[in-house]
Amino acid sequence: AQSVTQLGSHVSVSEGALVLLRCNYSSSVPPYLFWYVQYPNQGLQLLLKYTSAATLVKGINGFEAEFKKSETSFHLTKPSAHMSDAAEYFCAVSGGGYNKLIFGAGTRLAVHP
Amino acid sequence: GAVVSQHPSRVICKSGTSVKIECRSLDFQATTMFWYRQFPKQSLMLMATSNEGSKATYEQGVEKDKFLINHASLTLSTLTVTSAHPEDSSFYICSAGVGGPNLNEQFFGPGTRLTVL
Repeated sequence: AQSVTQLGSHVSVSEGALVLLRCNYSSSVPPYLFWYVQYPNQGLQLLLKYTSAATLVKGINGFEAEFKKSETSFHLTKPSAHMSDAAEYFCAVSGGGYNKLIFGAGTRLAVHP
Repeated sequence: GAVVSQHPSRVICKSGTSVKIECRSLDFQATTMFWYRQFPKQSLMLMATSNEGSKATYEQGVEKDKFLINHASLTLSTLTVTSAHPEDSSFYICSAGVGGPNLNEQFFGPGTRLTVL
């Protein structure tokens, strides 16, 4: 069985500040881990993915995430927030490939001037 | 590349009617398509997985007779909400996967907002 916990349903940062969105997972098999972004009334866009290669994964729009097996975490970071980063972010896990994605509850990121 | 479309983007219907939502992979052939449901300010819940030419696999708790899924080709899957009721109002999102048994990628459509009056 797999599950994802995203700590903090809402995160608010100032423009230019560090973004840190937390994700912890549970998986009985080596996981694949993903971060997606969703803008209002739109589908999901893949930010980055971990598929058992490098533990530090770089994605689009300056985001990156680090897989830490000992902490069962896959936190998403960005050094400097932009106003355009305001959106809903979802962490997801699968048991291999994209066959069945289990999503976390999501974190809404607000960026203020 | 790898674009997934959904039609319609929004639909309003009366209680008791059926609604069909289309999901198309525009520039690739999808071996597998997924249907998700998202309630306001909540996460995506997988409803079913469908492979072209075979019956969909539904997640526990999803009524297969109410949510009919047809995957007639490698570029088209449809979700029909039969005898819709207000509690079926939701945002429905499809995704399309490419690759073999372990999909290499999954691409999401823009979603369809269903409102049942």
